[in-house]
Amino acid sequence: DAGVTQSPTHLIKTRGQQVTLRCSPKSGHDTVSWYQQALGQGPQFIFQYYEEEERQRGNFPDRFSGHQFPNYSSELNVNALLLGDSALYLCASSQQGGGHQETQYFGPGTRLLVL
Amino acid sequence: AQKVTQAQTEISVVEKEDVTLDCVYETRDTTYYLFWYKQPPSGELVFLIRRNSFDEQNEISGRYSWNFQKSTSSFNFTITASQVVDSAVYFCALSGYSGGGADGLTFGKGTHLIIQP
Repeated sequence: DAGVTQSPTHLIKTRGQQVTLRCSPKSGHDTVSWYQQALGQGPQFIFQYYEEEERQRGNFPDRFSGHQFPNYSSELNVNALLLGDSALYLCASSQQGGGHQETQYFGPGTRLLVL
Repeated sequence: AQKVTQAQTEISVVEKEDVTLDCVYETRDTTYYLFWYKQPPSGELVFLIRRNSFDEQNEISGRYSWNFQKSTSSFNFTITASQVVDSAVYFCALSGYSGGGADGLTFGKGTHLIIQP
């Protein structure tokens, strides 16, 4: 049973550029959540996608946008990159419907460095 | 707003000692979930346990145990007879429940646990 996968593993961009990160959820999961983890900090919730729509959003600017596809995979897009966007970006998947299925399982992350 | 506080930034113990990681949370939700995750140096968050707000039963899993007390808004994690492989950053997290599903997680800042041989 494949877990959550993310690509790429590492990425280097320059200020002002745009980046797209990808996530495939665990088999049987229909919900994808994205988190940003700065060095030495806990992950911060960016947004959650369910049924191809943004279900909930954290305190992040509109430069952060996302998409969920019919196969439940998801993309995180960040426009006009800032140095402060350098972080580990984590994707988590879960299944709506209550119970332990709603536990979020995390992928290995994409480490983004903005120069 | 939700908040999770892990007051212990770093704990260092010698192997085989018992260690408790503290977690205090704040929420106005009546239904919520509490979690512990482990983050080894590789970076991937590993799920350890989930607790529902209406289930205050303590849980033991091998050398791990969790103490959930709603009266003090705490969800502490104890490792008995610690081992070097337990060295990692441990995060406590909280989520509400809205619109028919669990919300995004609010994490604490983490406790870096160092087990010395």
